[in-house]
Amino acid sequence: KAGVTQTPRYLIKTRGQQVTLSCSPISGHRSVSWYQQTPGQGLQFLFEYFSETQRNKGNFPGRFSGRQFSNSRSEMNVSTLELGDSALYLCASSLLSTGELFFGEGSRLTVL
Amino acid sequence: AQKVTQAQTEISVVEKEDVTLDCVYETRDTTYYLFWYKQPPSGELVFLIRRNSFDEQNEISGRYSWNFQKSTSSFNFTITASQVVDSAVYFCALSEEYSGGGADGLTFGKGTHLIIQP
Repeated sequence: KAGVTQTPRYLIKTRGQQVTLSCSPISGHRSVSWYQQTPGQGLQFLFEYFSETQRNKGNFPGRFSGRQFSNSRSEMNVSTLELGDSALYLCASSLLSTGELFFGEGSRLTVL
Repeated sequence: AQKVTQAQTEISVVEKEDVTLDCVYETRDTTYYLFWYKQPPSGELVFLIRRNSFDEQNEISGRYSWNFQKSTSSFNFTITASQVVDSAVYFCALSEEYSGGGADGLTFGKGTHLIIQP
């Protein structure tokens, strides 16, 4: 059974640019969540999507957005990148009722 | 607001020693879920256990055991006879009552870096 797949694994951007990260959940999982991990703030919840609808959102500015497609794949977008957006972005998927999150290996974003 | 505290930033032990990772949480909900995840150097968070607030039974899985005590709001994790492969960062996390099923956002602790020396 394939795990959660995130692409790209590594990317470098400059301030002001935008970036799109992709996440393919485990087959059959309809919920996809996104987390940001930084050395200073640790792991922080960004948002969660279920059946193409955003159900929960963390405390991040509007520059952070996401969406989910009908096949449960999800993308997150960060516009007008700032240096502080450098982080490991983790995607997780889960079944409807279990609550166990299965994480991908993450996309490591560096903003210069 | 919910909060998870892992007071131990880093623990270093010699292989075969037992080690306990502490986790203290705060929540106003009566229904909540507690988790432990392991993050090896590769970066992927590996699910270890999920416990709901109504189930205070301790759990043992091989060399791993978990002690959940609502009276002290703690959910501690013990590794018995530690091995070098156990070296990783371990995160405790909390999720409050689900709203409509699926996964609400987890609140993570800062993590404990566990180093097992050969």
